[in-house]
Amino acid sequence: GAVVSQHPSRVICKSGTSVKIECRSLDFQATTMFWYRQFPKQSLMLMATSNEGSKATYEQGVEKDKFLINHASLTLSTLTVTSAHPEDSSFYICSASRGGAAGHGYTFGSGTRLTVV
Amino acid sequence: GENVEQHPSTLSVQEGDSAVIKCTYSDSASNYFPWYKQELGKGPQLIIDIRSNVGEKKDQRIAVTLNKTAKHFSLHITETQPEDSAVYFCAANEDSSYKLIFGSGTRLLVRP
Repeated sequence: GAVVSQHPSRVICKSGTSVKIECRSLDFQATTMFWYRQFPKQSLMLMATSNEGSKATYEQGVEKDKFLINHASLTLSTLTVTSAHPEDSSFYICSASRGGAAGHGYTFGSGTRLTVV
Repeated sequence: GENVEQHPSTLSVQEGDSAVIKCTYSDSASNYFPWYKQELGKGPQLIIDIRSNVGEKKDQRIAVTLNKTAKHFSLHITETQPEDSAVYFCAANEDSSYKLIFGSGTRLLVRP
């Protein structure tokens, strides 16, 4: 089955530093990847959609200069949280789709717990 | 855009009983409705999904029903077991596109 690997699973960083999270599709080519943020006891909120070889599309209210997304290949998308602050502490989850439409379904990574101190 | 509402927020059942979680959606163009199970500290795992050309789908103890006219879909878990305890999310795609919008989640507790 489709597998998405997300790393790191946990990261603690100092306020003001940047953190990079990787999302890899291991056994399929993901033309589209998605990044979600989940606060404790809340739902998944879509942050942005990344398509291989093009700029990411950000949801309203998400700062594109703070959350840098790169989708350089069909198997890798990265999310970089720049100049992280304690309020950026959250659970970040990626998902990948084989196609641009919902017909191929989605596979989620295991998530990254970011703590900014 | 799509809006997905989910009820109840918490559900406690006795082992062996059935559990039902309901969701409504707003975008009549949505055509894909997955259900995810999320355990603490992990990413969501797809447990079942349904597309708009089907009214019901079943996989062992899990079933999903879809009413396109009323724009609601439900998850049914029969013969619940303690390991079914988790948070369950429904979702719907927006504008028949690839963007998934999630419901608020249901915390299911199955009492032994």
